[in-house]
Amino acid sequence: QQQVKQSPQSLIVQKGGISIINCAYENTAFDYFPWYQQFPGKGPALLIAIRPDVSEKKEGRFTISFNKSAKQFSLHIMDSQPGDSATYFCAASKEGNFNKFYFGSGTKLNVKP
Amino acid sequence: DVKVTQSSRYLVKRTGEKVFLECVQDMDHENMFWYRQDPGLGLRLIYFSYDVKMKEKGDIPEGYSVSREKKERFSLILESASTNQTSMYLCASSSGWVTEAFFGQGTRLTVV
Repeated sequence: QQQVKQSPQSLIVQKGGISIINCAYENTAFDYFPWYQQFPGKGPALLIAIRPDVSEKKEGRFTISFNKSAKQFSLHIMDSQPGDSATYFCAASKEGNFNKFYFGSGTKLNVKP
Repeated sequence: DVKVTQSSRYLVKRTGEKVFLECVQDMDHENMFWYRQDPGLGLRLIYFSYDVKMKEKGDIPEGYSVSREKKERFSLILESASTNQTSMYLCASSSGWVTEAFFGQGTRLTVV
């Protein structure tokens, strides 16, 4: 049973557009929700993360929106650039659980020039 | 910068071989992880370790074992490789309870 469900599987966006990736989770004990970015041939790297005490977190062009009641969170990439083309993974974990993350299935983003 | 180094980028092994994947981290992290990455399935946790000689099963431990004799090194062992273990394997490390996990570059294993 997949603990974190992610959609869409792939996404094509024009340069300058907004990319939106959605995730949903089941376990209400989760209290840390990171997004990882992976470029081809590289391991994933932390992009941005949020805790459920806030509904939104913004870092530059990247924003996480968090809806605790719906058990959903999403990544918004504003003014998407070709350099943002990568695979994005959402994840969830429970504090005190040795950083054991449950990852979504990934979204391959292609930003067209 | 934290560095997690996996010993091989690409490996090709035969069915039935015993395979060792090695991972070394240089930041004195307590936690180390082995994930398997497959298209459409994301990253799935195979095993993790929170201290030397300590290990815990993840979500898909069948067919794998691990070894952590030193804090900086975490090995994944495929006792008898099978074709369904063809995949990308990612090692990660972290410190503390809920903090950033740092990943290696991955090992793409093909079992023929």
